Amino acid sequence: GAGVSQSPSNKVTEKGKDVELRCDPISGHTALYWYRQSLGQGLEFLIYFQGNSAPDKSGLPSDRFSAERTGGSVSTLTIQRTQQEDSAVYLCASKTSGGADYNEQFFGPGTRLTVL
Amino acid sequence: RKEVEQDPGPFNVPEGATVAFNCTYSNSASQSFFWYRQDCRKEPKLLMSVYSSGNEDGRFTAQLNRASQYISLLIRDSKLSDSATYLCVVNIDRGSTLGRLYFGRGTQLTVWP
Repeated sequence: GAGVSQSPSNKVTEKGKDVELRCDPISGHTALYWYRQSLGQGLEFLIYFQGNSAPDKSGLPSDRFSAERTGGSVSTLTIQRTQQEDSAVYLCASKTSGGADYNEQFFGPGTRLTVL
Repeated sequence: RKEVEQDPGPFNVPEGATVAFNCTYSNSASQSFFWYRQDCRKEPKLLMSVYSSGNEDGRFTAQLNRASQYISLLIRDSKLSDSATYLCVVNIDRGSTLGRLYFGRGTQLTVWP
């Protein structure tokens, strides 16, 4: 079946512009996660949606970052007034449930964001 | 202190070698454990789950020590295709449906011919 998809695959923007990154999780997966990974660095957790629960936003680095998940499926990560330090690969992942279980978290291919 | 700490690496080994990676986690509420693999410029993918009794999948063996909060991955008979970054991952129970994965920074492995 289809995996997690993300769009665009690459985004180049100018400092100060807003960007929207999209994630389509695997159908039926209730848990959706956003991470970012800077060059040569580990994964940095950003935000987590689980069903109808309030999202865990504890990883968002500033109020310029926000995310929505509509209808329990597609999610959009928005970065306002982008800065050069926002340049990274933004990865989305989904999972069948949000519990602390052994279900696999499947990752999308990521969006490579470059802020000039 | 980070939730998950890994050997920084890099590890450079010849084909056929045995290599071991270690990882420690800080939260005793951790419920499930994994090793993910990430190839260069690719997304992470699950390599194997790590169960309390330890488990093996071909050349790969994972061990969990809950008392010491320690996880290991052993790769036997290394292949060139094993070259990648290995991520130690811990799922911490934050409520009935709110487990979240915590990733280590990864250990880079290069297998040379």
